[in-house]
Amino acid sequence: LAKTTQPISMDSYEGQEVNITCSHNNIATNDYITWYQQFPSQGPRFIIQGYKTKVTNEVASLFIPADRKSSTLSLPRVSLSDTAVYYCLVGGIGGGADGLTFGKGTHLIIQP
Amino acid sequence: KAGVTQTPRYLIKTRGQQVTLSCSPISGHRSVSWYQQTPGQGLQFLFEYFSETQRNKGNFPGRFSGRQFSNSRSEMNVSTLELGDSALYLCASSRGYRTTNEKLFFGSGTQLSVL
Repeated sequence: LAKTTQPISMDSYEGQEVNITCSHNNIATNDYITWYQQFPSQGPRFIIQGYKTKVTNEVASLFIPADRKSSTLSLPRVSLSDTAVYYCLVGGIGGGADGLTFGKGTHLIIQP
Repeated sequence: KAGVTQTPRYLIKTRGQQVTLSCSPISGHRSVSWYQQTPGQGLQFLFEYFSETQRNKGNFPGRFSGRQFSNSRSEMNVSTLELGDSALYLCASSRGYRTTNEKLFFGSGTQLSVL
C-alpha cells in the first residue's frame, strides 16, 4: 500500500509561489492523489485531487509526472493565511488502513 | 448543506474515566473515519465505518472503540482514559467506500484533555 514522504517544514514569503513535493513510490494503478490543508485546531480541508498530468483549481495546481511516483502541490502567490500543514494522501478510504494514513504533513510557514 | 458535526467541541476528563464522542456526517455520506491528532504524532487513523460495519482499524489499543448507526452517525468511545489520550479527535465523512478518488470532509474535532 502507498506510503507518502513529504518535507517536514518549508518557509516562504508572501507573493511567492510555493511547491511542496510528495513521494509515493508504491502508488497503485487506481490510486488518486489528494492534498489537504489544516489550520491549528481545525480538521483538514480538501484542496485538490488528481490522477495524472496537471490539475488546477482556484486555489492550487497539482503536477503529477508520468510515473506517478511523486506529486507537487503548487500554491501561487502565497499569503500569510496560507500558513498551515499540508498533507498528501494517496489512494482512498478503500485502500485499507494505510490508505487513510496522512503522515505528519508539511508545515508551511509564510512570512511577510 | 451542513458539514460534519462533532460534539462536544471540548472535553475535560480525569484518568480512568471513559468518554464518548459523537460525529454526524454530511447528509448522504455513508462512511465515517476517526483520527487522533497530537502535536508529536500528527494525524493517526483510528477506525473507519461504512454501513454500520467497521471496515478498517488503526493501531490503537482495545480501549478505543466505535460504532456507526443506521443513519450513518458515529460514536467513538475511549475507556479507562490515560494522560496520553489527550488529543484532538477528528471525524471525517465521505460518500462511499472502496473508491480510490474519494474525498474526506472533516469536522472541527473534539479537543479532549485528560487530567
